[in-house]
Amino acid sequence: QKEVEQDPGPLSVPEGAIVSLNCTYSNSAFQYFMWYRQYSRKGPELLMYTYSSGNKEDGRFTAQVDKSSKYISLFIRDSQPSDSATYLCAMSPNSGGYQKVTFGTGTKLQVIP
Amino acid sequence: DAGVTQSPTHLIKTRGQHVTLRCSPISGHKSVSWYQQVLGQGPQFIFQYYEKEERGRGNFPDRFSARQFPNYSSELNVNALLLGDSALYLCASSLARGQQETQYFGPGTRLLVL
Repeated sequence: QKEVEQDPGPLSVPEGAIVSLNCTYSNSAFQYFMWYRQYSRKGPELLMYTYSSGNKEDGRFTAQVDKSSKYISLFIRDSQPSDSATYLCAMSPNSGGYQKVTFGTGTKLQVIP
Repeated sequence: DAGVTQSPTHLIKTRGQHVTLRCSPISGHKSVSWYQQVLGQGPQFIFQYYEKEERGRGNFPDRFSARQFPNYSSELNVNALLLGDSALYLCASSLARGQQETQYFGPGTRLLVL
């Protein structure tokens, strides 16, 4: 069993839709959670990070962490064609020092105009 | 400000050859991590370096090695290349101040082994 599970998609939605992306994990040591966006043939770009359970909002993006269920989500409101990319969840046991980050496989999102 | 830079952008090698990939971190960042991303998968952690010392290593064979220089740039070396080494190799840098550390990724080097 992988430490981090993520549905690879692809996920296709119409412009303006609310998108929900999810990951589950098995390692209870994970404390630091991140979402990255990766456009084709580019490096990952950090979108959101959070330490704790609960919600964190940044513009059209909301990250949600439920440590009791070992489940994290990223919501994208009013999705735009420019949001079409692969979204990677990532997590780490700590935020500083030696930081081994474990990534999900990524969910490919297509927003149709 | 320049982000993380990597060179070369693309590389084609044959089985058994050796390859060296290079990374320059964001100015002021002292930690560099290397990741391998196979097509359709998420990045897999290879190494993390801080102040020229290896901090951590992922589950990769000894054919993979790396080093960090006094200016915090880094090299990833892969010996005896296999077809399965074909991937996007990503470098990420962070401040490494022991607090919240966000890793910033470069564009990657795309390696094809024939």
